[in-house]
Amino acid sequence: SQTIHQWPATLVQPVGSPLSLECTVEGTSNPNLYWYRQAAGRGLQLLFYSVGIGQISSEVPQNLSASRPQDRQFILSSKKLLLSDSGFYLCAWSVTLGETQYFGPGTRLLVL
Amino acid sequence: DAKTTQPPSMDCAEGRAANLPCNHSTISGNEYVYWYRQIHSQGPQYIIHGLKNNETNEMASLIITEDRKSSTLILPHATLRDTAVYYCIVRPNFGNEKLTFGTGTRLTIIP
Repeated sequence: SQTIHQWPATLVQPVGSPLSLECTVEGTSNPNLYWYRQAAGRGLQLLFYSVGIGQISSEVPQNLSASRPQDRQFILSSKKLLLSDSGFYLCAWSVTLGETQYFGPGTRLLVL
Repeated sequence: DAKTTQPPSMDCAEGRAANLPCNHSTISGNEYVYWYRQIHSQGPQYIIHGLKNNETNEMASLIITEDRKSSTLILPHATLRDTAVYYCIVRPNFGNEKLTFGTGTRLTIIP
């Protein structure tokens, strides 16, 4: 069966520091991968998605970037964190575009 | 642009069936109805989805009205672990990768 991992689970970072969040999927090949942010009271926001290695689509231009160095690895990064980057970051995967998305456990980021 | 409407909260007694309604009166012909739930501080969990016909899996049943303007998620024998926020979403099966969660229904299972 397929499983999705995210780490770290919780992160506290100062403003201006860099960020790297990792997501990996097991048990499937060539998944579509997604990064969402869930901020308190603001619902779920799609940040990036990827249909393959090195292929990234950005939904919202902002302080963050994504990379997919391997088939089942998706990384969310920032060079300098802002206070507004605080939130719950969720990685998800699907078999193909338009299919059901399955979420990871999430990373809670607090920028101080 | 909320495409679904759900009651903000509901209670259900443990062991009873929990029936969660959702209105999606502007649903298009190519849009599916999806249900997810989110237990506090965890990632959303996929429950079930359907297009026109009623669906059932090991977690729940989904009843979609004939005009597709509303649906009901049924948890047949609610347990305390079913306490969560339940989200009803409509999305096409192609062309829009974004899942848009509304405010959902906070379901509390009462012992």
